[in-house]
Amino acid sequence: NAGVTQTPKFQVLKTGQSMTLQCAQDMNHNSMYWYRQDPGMGLRLIYYSASEGTTDKGEVPNGYNVSRLNKREFSLRLESAAPSQTSVYFCASSEPRDGGGYTFGSGTRLTVV
Amino acid sequence: GNSVTQMEGPVTLSEEAFLTINCTYTATGYPSLFWYVQYPGEGLQLLLKATKADDKGSNKGFEATYRKETTSFHLEKGSVQVSDSAVYFCALSVGGQNFVFGPGTRLSVLP
Repeated sequence: NAGVTQTPKFQVLKTGQSMTLQCAQDMNHNSMYWYRQDPGMGLRLIYYSASEGTTDKGEVPNGYNVSRLNKREFSLRLESAAPSQTSVYFCASSEPRDGGGYTFGSGTRLTVV
Repeated sequence: GNSVTQMEGPVTLSEEAFLTINCTYTATGYPSLFWYVQYPGEGLQLLLKATKADDKGSNKGFEATYRKETTSFHLEKGSVQVSDSAVYFCALSVGGQNFVFGPGTRLSVLP
């Protein structure tokens, strides 16, 4: 029962470096999401993928790109990291036909110095 | 647009006290309503849900009733424990996608 797996769990980047956050789910869900969580800001949607082959911008997409590699995997890329991207990033998946909620990964804590 | 409002806290209670965390919403269409819990250092976990008016969701002693007339989904527990200390998020979804989350309420339970 792995659910949603995110890697890495922690990462420190220098300003301007790039990196990709990985997310994989084993529940055969169609929809996947990337959120960031900042103190006092709650959860903010970065990008989502309603189904394999589609991606859409959320509330705060600037500075990020995503790839829905297949039904299982949805990656988030920071091309040129900035201190403002210091945050905790959560991946989630859902199956709209089930009417159920999101299943979240355990998060990636990213610090950009 | 769709939105969720909840008391931000922090809420501090003694063990065995009664808990209420208020949540109200605005939505276009017929939302499903959820409560999520986040323990320190972890991701969010689904606590309970309700998919239509007058439904009651319950789990681990927590309950919430979907009140369409007052557009509310308040979280309650009769007797909290220290292990309930966490951040609680109210959320809604229309059509099973693109959830809208409230800001979260931090609960601290003292022994």
